[in-house]
Amino acid sequence: DAGVTQSPTHLIKTRGQHVTLRCSPISGHKSVSWYQQVLGQGPQFIFQYYEKEERGRGNFPDRFSARQFPNYSSELNVNALLLGDSALYLCASSSQGADEAFFGQGTRLTVV
Amino acid sequence: GESVGLHLPTLSVQEGDNSIINCAYSNSASDYFIWYKQESGKGPQFIIDIRSNMDKRQGQRVTVLLNKTVKHLSLQIAATQPGDSAVYFCAEKNSWGKLQFGAGTQVVVTP
Repeated sequence: DAGVTQSPTHLIKTRGQHVTLRCSPISGHKSVSWYQQVLGQGPQFIFQYYEKEERGRGNFPDRFSARQFPNYSSELNVNALLLGDSALYLCASSSQGADEAFFGQGTRLTVV
Repeated sequence: GESVGLHLPTLSVQEGDNSIINCAYSNSASDYFIWYKQESGKGPQFIIDIRSNMDKRQGQRVTVLLNKTVKHLSLQIAATQPGDSAVYFCAEKNSWGKLQFGAGTQVVVTP
């Protein structure tokens, strides 16, 4: 069975640009969470979606937004990119949110 | 705000020895803790978890200890192998699944 898949794996963007990151959860999982992991630090929670509804939001500016589609895949959007947005963006899926979370390999975003 | 943090940034262990990774948490209301392993270029991988009503839980070669009195969590890896080289995170999970991670400990296994 396929695990959590994220695309693209690597991405380079310029300051001020917009980026969209994509995540496909494990088949049957209805919850998707997004985390930002800056180099040398632990992942920081950004969003959780369950059944297409936002369940929780971390301490991130409004430039960060996300959505979940009817097939439970998800997109994370970041507007007006800053150098400090450079990080590994991780997606995790779980059956119902509070169950065990399975992480994808992440998207490495570099903002120059 | 509340946070979960680690004592040691890097731990060097000889192959075959036991490893102990420590973690301090500050939220005394925390109910559920998880240890994750993250290898280079990969996402975090679940190792073992423990609820606040337990003091100890054992898995395959791993043991997690929870001391609620001093708000301390540890992960013990028995007979450390080269494949155990990775960054290890403790994390607190809330009732709806939000994970709050610590900074991580790099474990380096030497031959």
